[in-house]
Amino acid sequence: NAGVTQTPKFQVLKTGQSMTLQCAQDMNHEYMSWYRQDPGMGLRLIHYSVGAGITDQGEVPNGYNVSRSTTEDFPLRLLSAAPSQTSVYFCASSFGTSGRQYFGPGTRLTVL
Amino acid sequence: SQQGEEDPQALSIQEGENATMNCSYKTSINNLQWYRQNSGRGLVHLILIRSNEREKHSGRLRVTLDTSKKSSSLLITASRAADTASYFCATVPMNSGYSTLTFGKGTMLLVSP
Repeated sequence: NAGVTQTPKFQVLKTGQSMTLQCAQDMNHEYMSWYRQDPGMGLRLIHYSVGAGITDQGEVPNGYNVSRSTTEDFPLRLLSAAPSQTSVYFCASSFGTSGRQYFGPGTRLTVL
Repeated sequence: SQQGEEDPQALSIQEGENATMNCSYKTSINNLQWYRQNSGRGLVHLILIRSNEREKHSGRLRVTLDTSKKSSSLLITASRAADTASYFCATVPMNSGYSTLTFGKGTMLLVSP
């Protein structure tokens, strides 16, 4: 099992550009989430999904879109990148409603 | 908003010593989890303790939970240089339909040889 994979590992964008961060898991987990990690802020939840076709907002959803067409994939789209979205982004998945989460290696995004 | 708050923010010890980190939270929880993050890497799950449990062990890790004080502690015994990492507590709210983990800001642990 590859677990949770994320691409790309690094990305530099200009303000106003759009892009999609990819996340995939091969553990057949129903639950997937996106977090951002900023220095001194811990991790904050952006969006999450409880199954294919079902998504919901987390604590900091503005400027991001998600969709879940398959169990395996949960892409995060930045619609119009802003410097405030410079961060490290982590995707995670879990099997149960309150169990441990498995994290991907992260995508380090810089918006100039 | 941050639910868990770890204390101390940073901890520096020598190999062989014990390391204790504390976590306080605000609302009733279903469970509390501890994660480790090595520099530049993703988070790795260490241990989960449910609200009806008071203590749990896993190898050199010991976690306690006091729901009356809304606090938890993580003890790493006989620390090794490889334990150098950031440690985060994360809570799952009571009656949550999904495990929307709420993370604290973490404790940075440095274990010197």
